[in-house]
Amino acid sequence: EPEVTQTPSHQVTQMGQEVILRCVPISNHLYFYWYRQILGQKVEFLVSFYNNEISEKSEIFDDQFSVERPDGSNFTLKIRSTKLEDSAMYFCAAKLAGETQYFGPGTRLLVL
Amino acid sequence: RKEVEQDPGPFNVPEGATVAFNCTYSNSASQSFFWYRQDCRKEPKLLMSVYSSGNEDGRFTAQLNRASQYISLLIRDSKLSDSATYLCVVNRDNYGQNFVFGPGTRLSVLP
Repeated sequence: EPEVTQTPSHQVTQMGQEVILRCVPISNHLYFYWYRQILGQKVEFLVSFYNNEISEKSEIFDDQFSVERPDGSNFTLKIRSTKLEDSAMYFCAAKLAGETQYFGPGTRLLVL
Repeated sequence: RKEVEQDPGPFNVPEGATVAFNCTYSNSASQSFFWYRQDCRKEPKLLMSVYSSGNEDGRFTAQLNRASQYISLLIRDSKLSDSATYLCVVNRDNYGQNFVFGPGTRLSVLP
């Protein structure tokens, strides 16, 4: 199974700080996604990214969030000014042209 | 109404039992459907896609009823290793851009 990796595995930050979560998809993946999962809740779609631009985003993905793929490899999610309610597991996913999305192991973000 | 709903669970079954999970979706334009499993504090992993004609993969059988907007997963001869949360996932469009996850149904297979 294709492997998507994410760093860091855990991140603790103070409220108001910026965090950057990183994802390294398989090199020939074309579509990239971020999801989050608040503890005990369902997985929620944040944003999809294709051809170096956002193709769709949810209402959760407000101005505090941004994504980019600066070097054609890493796919990053930035949260500009974290809030307590941003504490969650953040999953990156990637896929080729088909439908199967492969998920990374996640980054657990804790905002204090 | 939530876009994807699942049996609330948890399901506690003995080894060897057959267990069925149900899922309904509200968006009739949904294009494709999947079952993922998620182990505690791990990422979702694809279990199987769900095709209109129904499909089987070993002990796992998935069914789709588009008219009723209903998806099911049947696990036969359940193993201890089947213990996980099973996520019903619906893809809203043709481009695979937006997965909508159900809340999941937790399964515990007991020795």
